[in-house]
Amino acid sequence: QKEVEQDPGPLSVPEGAIVSLNCTYSNSAFQYFMWYRQYSRKGPELLMYTYSSGNKEDGRFTAQVDKSSKYISLFIRDSQPSDSATYLCAMGSAGKLIFGQGTTLQVKP
Amino acid sequence: NAGVMQNPRHLVRRRGQEARLRCSPMKGHSHVYWYRQLPEEGLKFMVYLQKENIIDESGMPKERFSAEFPKEGPSILRIQQVVRGDSAAYFCASSPPGDVGYNEQFFGPGTRLTVL
Repeated sequence: QKEVEQDPGPLSVPEGAIVSLNCTYSNSAFQYFMWYRQYSRKGPELLMYTYSSGNKEDGRFTAQVDKSSKYISLFIRDSQPSDSATYLCAMGSAGKLIFGQGTTLQVKP
Repeated sequence: NAGVMQNPRHLVRRRGQEARLRCSPMKGHSHVYWYRQLPEEGLKFMVYLQKENIIDESGMPKERFSAEFPKEGPSILRIQQVVRGDSAAYFCASSPPGDVGYNEQFFGPGTRLTVL
């Protein structure tokens, strides 16, 4: 079993839709949780960082962490074609990050 | 404020040659991490360094790979006697000084290594 599981998709939605991306994990030692966006042949871009259970909102993005269920989510409201990318969840406890496989998202105009 | 810088962006080597990848962290950052992304795979941790110290190298292959972050200058990831399986994108990330329990990592654009 992988430490971090993420559905690779692809996920295709119409412009304006609400997108839900999810990861599950098995290691209860993870202390902080991140979401990155990666465009093709580019480096990952940090979108959201959280270190406690609950919700964190930043513009159109909301990150949710449920440590009791070992489950994290990223919601994107009013999705735009420019949101089309691969979204990576990542988590860690002492420096190194463990990444999910990444979910490929396509937002169609 | 410049982000994480990596060079070269593309590197082509023949089997058996050496590859040197460089990473300059963001200004004020003292922690550097190297990750590898193989085709169709996720990002895999390789090594975590602070100035002149290797903190965690649990993801580094036992042979041919080494990393350093000297007191002055960029961090270097060195791959000796490259093989075709080393072809991948290598990303460097950096984070500010402080408790590793609080650890936002910012990534560079990557170096794409191709081994012929």
